[in-house]
Amino acid sequence: EAGVAQSPRYKIIEKRQSVAFWCNPISGHATLYWYQQILGQGPKLLIQFQNNGVVDDSQLPKDRFSAERLKGVDSTLKIQPAKLEDSAVYLCASSLWGGNTEAFFGQGTRLTVV
Amino acid sequence: QKEVEQNSGPLSVPEGAIASLNCTYSDRGSQSFFWYRQYSGKSPELIMFIYSNGDKEDGRFTAQLNKASQYVSLLIRDSQPSDSATYLCAVLYGQNFVFGPGTRLSVLP
Repeated sequence: EAGVAQSPRYKIIEKRQSVAFWCNPISGHATLYWYQQILGQGPKLLIQFQNNGVVDDSQLPKDRFSAERLKGVDSTLKIQPAKLEDSAVYLCASSLWGGNTEAFFGQGTRLTVV
Repeated sequence: QKEVEQNSGPLSVPEGAIASLNCTYSDRGSQSFFWYRQYSGKSPELIMFIYSNGDKEDGRFTAQLNKASQYVSLLIRDSQPSDSATYLCAVLYGQNFVFGPGTRLSVLP
């Protein structure tokens, strides 16, 4: 079974530029999560999708972050414009249906904003 | 505010000893609890999950849950240097996984 795929693995941008991350969850997983993990901290949920609907985006900085999950499969997370404090690893995870089922993580995208 | 707390560590134990990792959570209604291991520069991977009060054992790992005290722990028996990693406690609040800050474990040869 293929795992959660993310790209790119690494990205370096200047502040005020824009960037996009892509995630392809495990086939058949209805729930998709985007987490931000700052060095030395645990993952912080940015947004959760159930199929192509948003379940929770309460911690997503909506003035600069946006995410979509078209057709309930792949998802993209965009930052525009980026700030220095956005430097982090962006993790995508998926689970079967978001209930008592584990979340599987992709390898993450390490973003550095300079 | 749904919170998950862990001691950040580092927790250092000698090889072969028992490592004990603790986690507390704020929402008494939480039903599902997960322990993830994260090696430096890697993504989290699931070690164990527990839903019921008491102990759950899987190989060298034992998860313990006490819902009355809102406390989850992970015991690692016969610790190995390869167990050196950050251990993340995650609590399922409704449909949301909320992670603690993680405890960094160092197993000394």
